[in-house]
Amino acid sequence: NAGVTQTPKFRILKIGQSMTLQCTQDMNHNYMYWYRQDPGMGLKLIYYSVGAGITDKGEVPNGYNVSRSTTEDFPLRLELAAPSQTSVYFCASRRTSGGARNEQFFGPGTRLTVL
Amino acid sequence: ELKVEQNPLFLSMQEGKNYTIYCNYSTTSDRLYWYRQDPGKSLESLFVLLSNGAVKQEGRLMASLDTKARLSTPHITAAVHDLSATYFCAVDSNYGGSQGNLIFGKGTKLSVKP
Repeated sequence: NAGVTQTPKFRILKIGQSMTLQCTQDMNHNYMYWYRQDPGMGLKLIYYSVGAGITDKGEVPNGYNVSRSTTEDFPLRLELAAPSQTSVYFCASRRTSGGARNEQFFGPGTRLTVL
Repeated sequence: ELKVEQNPLFLSMQEGKNYTIYCNYSTTSDRLYWYRQDPGKSLESLFVLLSNGAVKQEGRLMASLDTKARLSTPHITAAVHDLSATYFCAVDSNYGGSQGNLIFGKGTKLSVKP
């Protein structure tokens, strides 16, 4: 299993540009998450999904959109990039239920700079 | 609102000595997770603590959970260089549920010096 994969690894955007961060998992997990990590901070939840066709806002959703058309893919869209969106973005997934651990598995991250 | 605090934020350790770091959280939860992050890397799961009194060990790191005090305290025994990393504590924000949304602390950055 590749686990959780993210593309691209790095990206520089100009203010006002748009882009989509890709996330794919091959573990057949129903739950998927997008986080951002700012320097010296923990992770903040942007959006999450509990299954194909179902998404919901997290703590910091403004400026982002998501879709979940398949179990495997959970892309994150930035429509009008702003310098405040400069961050490292992590995608994560989790088994639906069952078992005790319930941990999230993280992708390698996308480092985004908006200039 | 659930808040997660970690102390200290930075810890410079000497090889061979013992240390303790702390994670406390503000509202009831039945699950606490510890993750390790190396510089420029992703997060790696270390421990999942599910109940009061739970104790888990990973190498020189041993973590416990006190749900009454809302506190987890990983102990580091005889620090070695490969422990250098940032350690994040995360708490399940839906007590008794299965949502799995995690609230993260700011992390404790450990640096081990010879």
